[in-house]
Amino acid sequence: NAGVTQTPKFQVLKTGQSMTLQCAQDMNHNSMYWYRQDPGMGLRLIYYSASEGTTDKGEVPNGYNVSRLNKREFSLRLESAAPSQTSVYFCASNQGPNTEAFFGQGTRLTVV
Amino acid sequence: KQEVTQIPAALSVPEGENLVLNCSFTDSAIYNLQWFRQDPGKGLTSLLLIQSSQREQTSGRLNASLDKSSGRSTLYIAASQPGDSATYLCAVRSDYKLSFGAGTTVTVRA
Repeated sequence: NAGVTQTPKFQVLKTGQSMTLQCAQDMNHNSMYWYRQDPGMGLRLIYYSASEGTTDKGEVPNGYNVSRLNKREFSLRLESAAPSQTSVYFCASNQGPNTEAFFGQGTRLTVV
Repeated sequence: KQEVTQIPAALSVPEGENLVLNCSFTDSAIYNLQWFRQDPGKGLTSLLLIQSSQREQTSGRLNASLDKSSGRSTLYIAASQPGDSATYLCAVRSDYKLSFGAGTTVTVRA
């Protein structure tokens, strides 16, 4: 029972490089989310997808783009990485706003 | 904007003592409240989900209460064990957004 799977688990980027963080869930959930976790800031919502075919901005969307590829997969893209994007990124999913959310194991990203 | 506060930020107790973790939020218009556990370097594990219409939820040694009108939730962990050492996060859902507290880091001493 995999739940929410994120790849990669660790990544080091140089400033200006681009990369895509992948997320897949096997629970047939409608909604998927991307959060970042920073010391002293807690978890903050970057983007979410309420259902397949829709995406919306969260609290901190600047510098990121997302794609809801299908019901299972939701990717996060950094077009030109900056040191301020050094963080731990978590993907989450649930069936809808009134249901339990499940999180992946995180991607630890360092931008140098 | 929803603000979620968890007090205390850290807690150290001897094994066997009951744990009481507090969470407060500013906007009572919520769908639900969820408690998570996070071990160092790991993801978030869901512990309990309380719907806005519920007063409490129980799972094993864990019991969570919700007073929506006063914007408070409490997580009780009975008879703590060293394996309960972790950071506990409270999150409230308004529409599609989960707003998180900064967490309470718990250490249970053997």
